[in-house]
Order: sequence, then structure tokens, then C-alpha cells
Amino acid sequence: LAKTTQPISMDSYEGQEVNITCSHNNIATNDYITWYQQFPSQGPRFIIQGYKTKVTNEVASLFIPADRKSSTLSLPRVSLSDTAVYYCLVGSNTNAGKSTFGDGTTLTVKP
Amino acid sequence: EPEVTQTPSHQVTQMGQEVILRCVPISNHLYFYWYRQILGQKVEFLVSFYNNEISEKSEIFDDQFSVERPDGSNFTLKIRSTKLEDSAMYFCASRNRDPSEKLFFGSGTQLSVL
Repeated sequence: LAKTTQPISMDSYEGQEVNITCSHNNIATNDYITWYQQFPSQGPRFIIQGYKTKVTNEVASLFIPADRKSSTLSLPRVSLSDTAVYYCLVGSNTNAGKSTFGDGTTLTVKP
Repeated sequence: EPEVTQTPSHQVTQMGQEVILRCVPISNHLYFYWYRQILGQKVEFLVSFYNNEISEKSEIFDDQFSVERPDGSNFTLKIRSTKLEDSAMYFCASRNRDPSEKLFFGSGTQLSVL
């Protein structure tokens, strides 16, 4: 399973765009990149998933460069309710879900 | 959006007692998982379950743990003889057949072993 590295914490202010980068140098050909959000005392919640280039949904964008050794989660115009821990996971059909989450990035949004 | 349901939300037990944590995965999902999260620590994979059998388990999932899908809707985690260090939040998750499908997590059961 590809190991991931993320910043431990980030601070931002309401209304700003936040970019969280995850390094996954050992990503395999079949691996997808998935980001989850977790609030205190709740289960992780899926945000976005991608394989290459750019993916956008109603809550975030995911940028993946051509070498796929990193990915960047972009949250547009964050609000206080986006304060949470964000996890980057890398996995394929043979190991989907079968991995311990990394340390994640604790995002604190300030007023 | 469909939900994974876990009961109870909180469970307090004495050391050495057996506990059963219950989960109702999303109805058309085929892959089921248990994770645990000790306070302030990572979300740790325990076990995955597919086609009525364990497909993979972590080193945490020792002989004290077992999982079962007793009927078409429930998925349970049993801890045979609880230890103090089993105190954690336990999350159930499920997903559909496509391996790129996202995991849906329940809201967890907070287990406190006294």
C-alpha cells in the first residue's frame, strides 16, 4: 500500500481557498486517490476521488499531476464548518478500504 | 444519501466482558469493514468482509475479535473478552462492488472498557 504524507495542520480564514497537498511517491498504476473528511466523534466522510488530472464536484477539486506522486485537495471559500481532519488515501481494487488512515491534516478555519 | 447505521452509539463494559457492536450497512453493498480509532489517534483498519467471509484482517484483529453477518442486513463485531486498551471508537463501513467506489462510514460506537 502506498504511504501518504500530508501536513499535520493548516490554518485558514473564512472565505479563503484552501489547498492541502498529499505526497504518495510509491503510488501504483492501479491506485486511486481518495480524500475523506472527519469531524470529531464522527466517521470519515468521502469528499472526492480521482485517478489523474483534475476532478471537481460540488464541494472540492482534486488536482493530480501527470506523475501521480502527489495530489492536492482544493476547498473553495472555506467556512467555519470546514474545520475538520482531512485524510488522503491511496488504494486499488485489491486493497480498497484495507488500510489504516494516515495522520491526516487538521484544518482550522478561523472567522 | 444512504447511511450506514451503528448501534449502540455508546457502550460501557467491564474488563473481561463480551461486547457486540452492531452495524447495518447500506442495503446493496457487498464489502464490509470495521475500523477503530483510539482517542486522538489514527483510524485503524481491523477487518474486511466479503461474500460471507473475512477477506483481510490487520494484526490488531486477534482471536478476541470476530465478525459475523447473521442475516441479510446486519454486520457485527464481537470482542470476546474486552481489555482496557479496547476502549476506542469503532466504525463500520461498506461499499459497493466497484473498487473505486467510496466507503460509507457509520457514525461509530464509542466503547469504554472500565
